Amino acid sequence: DSGVTQTPKHLITATGQRVTLRCSPRSGDLSVYWYQQSLDQGLQFLIQYYNGEERAKGNILERFSAQQFPDLHSELNLSSLELGDSALYFCASSADTVINQPQHFGDGTRLSIL
Amino acid sequence: GIQVEQSPPDLILQEGANSTLRCNFSDSVNNLQWFHQNPWGQLINLFYIPSGTKQNGRLSATTVATERYSLLYISSSQTTDSGVYFCAVDSYGQNFVFGPGTRLSVLP
Repeated sequence: DSGVTQTPKHLITATGQRVTLRCSPRSGDLSVYWYQQSLDQGLQFLIQYYNGEERAKGNILERFSAQQFPDLHSELNLSSLELGDSALYFCASSADTVINQPQHFGDGTRLSIL
Repeated sequence: GIQVEQSPPDLILQEGANSTLRCNFSDSVNNLQWFHQNPWGQLINLFYIPSGTKQNGRLSATTVATERYSLLYISSSQTTDSGVYFCAVDSYGQNFVFGPGTRLSVLP
């Protein structure tokens, strides 16, 4: 058990809809990262938050947004969903945003767009 | 940005065999991790190893940072070792980048 909790585990929805994925980091971790794993793109970094502030941005679409709340949990919002957004979405956390900190991954949310 | 390559892309072993997986990266790194993704999709953190050698049971890893590669050794493989092994790195000031993975199948 990594200590990172993601909900829901599975999500099935239709094109054009909006969903919210939730992540609770390990106790004490200040950094939260979101990744997308799709069949054609592999595992890709989306965005990082540290103590409520956005710290780094990767290949995140404009239709996607995220935030980290004062209690350090994070949410990834996906809107105007397309078939290509079907993927496994992982959240990870680490103690700090500075170097030399391992990342611990949750079990992922599997999103299926019909 | 930093490039990560893994070899071999696929590996089939008989139970009990040993194997070596390789990860090459194109720039200096401050974080390197090895993960095992099991058939249920879970990413299991195996090693945090930006440099040096570590061992955990039948698994060990070595990273030679100056030569920009890391090796993951699996000894006496078991069917439960099957899955995809990923190497992931982040370079100073850059994002965490995953390699394409090595798909391992261990046959009984």
